[in-house]
Amino acid sequence: GQQLNQSPQSMFIQEGEDVSMNCTSSSIFNTWLWYKQDPGEGPVLLIALYKAGELTSNGRLTAQFGITRKDSFLNISASIPSDVGIYFCAGRQGAQKLVFGQGTRLTINP
Amino acid sequence: DTAVSQTPKYLVTQMGNDKSIKCEQNLGHDTMYWYKQDSKKFLKIMFSYNNKELIINETVPNRFSPKSPDKAHLNLHINSLELGDSAVYFCASSPNAGAGELFFGEGSRLTVL
Repeated sequence: GQQLNQSPQSMFIQEGEDVSMNCTSSSIFNTWLWYKQDPGEGPVLLIALYKAGELTSNGRLTAQFGITRKDSFLNISASIPSDVGIYFCAGRQGAQKLVFGQGTRLTINP
Repeated sequence: DTAVSQTPKYLVTQMGNDKSIKCEQNLGHDTMYWYKQDSKKFLKIMFSYNNKELIINETVPNRFSPKSPDKAHLNLHINSLELGDSAVYFCASSPNAGAGELFFGEGSRLTVL
């Protein structure tokens, strides 16, 4: 079945640093999404991408739909303490089910 | 108003018992889902319903039985609970079956002793 490989699995950074994470797939997707999960909460959608090459921003967050349609990237600029959490990529191929990556756990040292 | 609400938030029970988790969405969405998140935080889809019809049924033990009385509700009943069923179960909804944007509930943490 479809699998997503998300990296890194965890990140420990200083407040104010920029963050980059990515997701790769063995299959072509036509939708890429990035979610964030805070402790004790459900995942919340951050950014949705629908076209290869698309670059979309949401505040300090920027995500890109890779040209090959097999990868996506999420960048966070100037991290702040509330950015702490687990970030998930998710992809969908046509009407297939949404597949999630393993998550990137972000920890920020003040 | 909570968009996707599930109850209970916490559930502690003994092996062999039967339990249910309820989910309701007030977003007017057609599609609802159950996901299981294990201790490593991996999110795996279990079931999906579109307008009360089952459209996704992953390889889940038949001890798990979803039920959608209407498109705003999707409940999950689990029979003969096992230790390995301990996890956080998330309900989610989306406008339609092809939409990528899922709206998740807060999760129901099930602990089987």
